[in-house]
Amino acid sequence: GDSVTQMEGPVTLSEEAFLTINCTYTATGYPSLFWYVQYPGEGLQLLLKATKADDKGSNKGFEATYRKETTSFHLEKGSVQVSDSAVYFCALRGDYKLSFGAGTTVTVRA
Amino acid sequence: DAGVIQSPRHEVTEMGQEVTLRCKPISGHNSLFWYRQTMMRGLELLIYFNNNVPIDDSGMPEDRFSAKMPNASFSTLKIQPSEPRDSAVYFCASSLEAGPSYEQYFGPGTRLTVT
Repeated sequence: GDSVTQMEGPVTLSEEAFLTINCTYTATGYPSLFWYVQYPGEGLQLLLKATKADDKGSNKGFEATYRKETTSFHLEKGSVQVSDSAVYFCALRGDYKLSFGAGTTVTVRA
Repeated sequence: DAGVIQSPRHEVTEMGQEVTLRCKPISGHNSLFWYRQTMMRGLELLIYFNNNVPIDDSGMPEDRFSAKMPNASFSTLKIQPSEPRDSAVYFCASSLEAGPSYEQYFGPGTRLTVT
C-alpha cells in the first residue's frame, strides 16, 4: 500500500538557519504530494502541494519538488524564523485517502 | 468561509460513557474524512464519506465506533462505550472532490480524554 517515510525529529535550529526535512514515498500510480504543518494546539494546515512529477510547491518561503525518479518530496526553507516552530507532516494522496508520515517536530530558537 | 468546524474542542469523559464528536464541513465540499491522531500511531484515517455515503470505513477500530453523515453539512463520530485507549485528537477534514489533487482542509480537532 501507499506509505510515507520522513526524517525523524526533533530538529532544533537557530533563527535564519537552513531547514531540510527529508520525505520519501511508496505508491502505485501517480499520487499527489503534500506538506502539512501543525502548530501547537491547532489542526493541520496545508503548507504546499505538488500534483505531478517535477512540480515545485512553494509557500511562505518553503519549497518542495516532486521527484519521481527518487520518490522524494523534501521540504526546504532557506532562513527559518521562530514562528516556523511546528510539526511538519509529509503526505501523499493516491485516490481519496491521505497517507501521512510520522511528522517531524521543528524548534527554532532565537 | 469559516472552515471546517468541530465540536467540542475538548471532551473529558469516564470509561464506559458514550461520546459524540461533531463536524461541519466546508460548504460545497462533497468529501468528508475522520482522522485520529495519537503519539503511538500518528494520523490514521478512520472513515471517508463521499456525497454523504460512507465509502471506506476500514480504519474504524472496532464496533464501538460509528459515524454518520445525515446531510452534506453535518457528520458525527460516536464512541460507545468509550475506553481509555480511545484518548486521542480526532480531526475532521473535507475536500471539494475526492480526486488526488484536491487538498483536504482540516478542522481544529477534538481532544478526547477517557479516564
